[in-house]
Amino acid sequence: DTGVSQNPRHKITKRGQNVTFRCDPISEHNRLYWYRQTLGQGPEFLTYFQNEAQLEKSRLLSDRFSAERPKGSFSTLEIQRTEQGDSAMYLCASSQQTGAGDIQYFGAGTRLSVL
Amino acid sequence: AQSVTQLDSQVPVFEEAPVELRCNYSSSVSVYLFWYVQYPNQGLQLLLKYLSGSTLVKGINGFEAEFNKSQTSFHLRKPSVHISDTAEYFCAVSGVTSGSRLTFGEGTQLTVNP
Repeated sequence: DTGVSQNPRHKITKRGQNVTFRCDPISEHNRLYWYRQTLGQGPEFLTYFQNEAQLEKSRLLSDRFSAERPKGSFSTLEIQRTEQGDSAMYLCASSQQTGAGDIQYFGAGTRLSVL
Repeated sequence: AQSVTQLDSQVPVFEEAPVELRCNYSSSVSVYLFWYVQYPNQGLQLLLKYLSGSTLVKGINGFEAEFNKSQTSFHLRKPSVHISDTAEYFCAVSGVTSGSRLTFGEGTQLTVNP
């Protein structure tokens, strides 16, 4: 068990560019979550997958954001036409569905800076 | 929908002193409750959780929390803190019937001074 892995750890981009982040969950976990955390705030839910199905999306997830989990393993989060307001830490978490308060295990995050 | 309020954004304490980090929540449904800790440049680590049963739950690193349904609170306590407990602490809830998404509070920065 190597934990939840996120790449890259840091990304600096210019406004208007597209970026993609990757998350590798704990191998036996069937649920995967994306959260966004801005400075001085708690994480905010973006979306989650159960296996390859995207079951819920937050209103925070604008049309410029898209997430995939094609084979029910790793996931990617893409942001198109980045804006300065997208600068944040993007956190990925995974859990094994238990039916009662899944424990989510978090990765170290990808810090995005949009210049 | 749920919301979480962490009543103190910063809590400075001296080493070996007791500490309480306060958390109140609002929800129209029954909830599960969690406390996570975040060290600088690291992901969130689960300290403890309340799912059901005994309202006093014990977690890692000597932390404990008490669920109070009437006051909709889930305060985190430690009887004697160490320098290494300096970190950001987040209270979070998920609805029992609304899936696993977590709603977090804004966090409390605990700073333990020598």
